[in-house]
Amino acid sequence: DIQMTQSPSTLSASVGDRVTITCRASQSIGSWLAWYQHKPGKAPKLLIYKASTLQSGVPSRFSGSGSGTEFTLTISSLQPDDSATYYCQQYNLYPWTFGQGTKVEI
Amino acid sequence: QLQLQESGPGLVRPSETLSLTCTVSGGSIINYYWGWIRQPPGQGLEWIGSIYSSGNTYYNPSLESRVTISVDTPNDQFSLKLSSVTAADTAVYYCARGTPIPGGYYPFDYWGQGALVTVSS
Repeated sequence: DIQMTQSPSTLSASVGDRVTITCRASQSIGSWLAWYQHKPGKAPKLLIYKASTLQSGVPSRFSGSGSGTEFTLTISSLQPDDSATYYCQQYNLYPWTFGQGTKVEI
Repeated sequence: QLQLQESGPGLVRPSETLSLTCTVSGGSIINYYWGWIRQPPGQGLEWIGSIYSSGNTYYNPSLESRVTISVDTPNDQFSLKLSSVTAADTAVYYCARGTPIPGGYYPFDYWGQGALVTVSS
């Protein structure tokens, strides 16, 4: 299985800060990486797919980059509504696998 | 707006079979992948398996011997069965849609709210 490792596990930042989350794959996955936002009791929400493509309706302060084994999710100006856990997921090779999550606290 | 809703028993006895159904509304089940993902308490997300609307299935090898996913296209539903459950199968179970692109790659673009299933006697 492809292992996905996120860092940091927890992140505390202030409104307006630029925030970056890193996701590393144990082997190359091309650009087949997605980022999700998950709030307690709610359905996870797709933010970014194919490493850098913004899902329709997602605010432009979210962006993704990377390819191969190293990827980043950036929130350019953190907002109160961004408090959540963020997961990366590879969909290059079965079984699909997720990172362990990064909890963003404001 | 596409909506997915999980349904099924919230409590399952050890060694029995967990059964969940996902009902899709606001869109077609045809020409998409449909997946099940779970999250044990305090842990991360685990992909259980996916099914294409034609019936082709893809399972996580760690669960493959116990998992069956099926699709009911006339009723816009798909289902999960997990046999011989133990306490380790206690989790919130999510259903989700995957929109395919050439090559069979798909992220999950719509998710249900999740259903908590507890395995306990």
